[in-house]
Amino acid sequence: GQQLNQSPQSMFIQEGEDVSMNCTSSSIFNTWLWYKQEPGEGPVLLIALYKAGELTSNGRLTAQFGITRKDSFLNISASIPSDVGIYFCAGRPRSGSARQLTFGSGTQLTVLP
Amino acid sequence: GAVVSQHPSRVICKSGTSVKIECRSLDFQATTMFWYRQFPKQSLMLMATSNEGSKATYEQGVEKDKFLINHASLTLSTLTVTSAHPEDSSFYICSAPERVDTQYFGPGTRLTVL
Repeated sequence: GQQLNQSPQSMFIQEGEDVSMNCTSSSIFNTWLWYKQEPGEGPVLLIALYKAGELTSNGRLTAQFGITRKDSFLNISASIPSDVGIYFCAGRPRSGSARQLTFGSGTQLTVLP
Repeated sequence: GAVVSQHPSRVICKSGTSVKIECRSLDFQATTMFWYRQFPKQSLMLMATSNEGSKATYEQGVEKDKFLINHASLTLSTLTVTSAHPEDSSFYICSAPERVDTQYFGPGTRLTVL
């Protein structure tokens, strides 16, 4: 099936620093989504991207749908302790089911005070 | 965003018993819902697609007789883990698409089989 390469796998940063993570695919995606999951909870949708080149912000979070439609990045500015969690990218391949998503392996973010 | 609920949030059962997990879309209708399984420190693994009014579609390697799915209405899908064993212990999460390309997840159900 489709594969999403998400990096980095984990990050340890100081409070106040900016964070960047990304996902790449070997095939074209029509949709990119970014989720955050905290321990014992389901993933929560942060940002949804539907057009190539689209740049969308949600508070301190910014995500972009790559021009090639094969990648996306998520930036978090001025990190705070509550940003801790696992961030997943997800996308719908152009050739895939209209509703089924492919997930990245996740980025574990730790924010040090 | 759209709200998806799951019940129960945690369940502990004895080996050999069956457990039912409910997934509800609270403020939208969903003809399709998805069931995932997640192991510690891993990504979500799609188990099956629940279809309202028709049979569920299972991913390769997922036993349909083991994991029974019923999409009873446009807002409710249930996953029943039949004759549960310790290896079925996991975190089960459902999701529903509020629009074609966007899925919202439930809070998950932690199943522990003794």
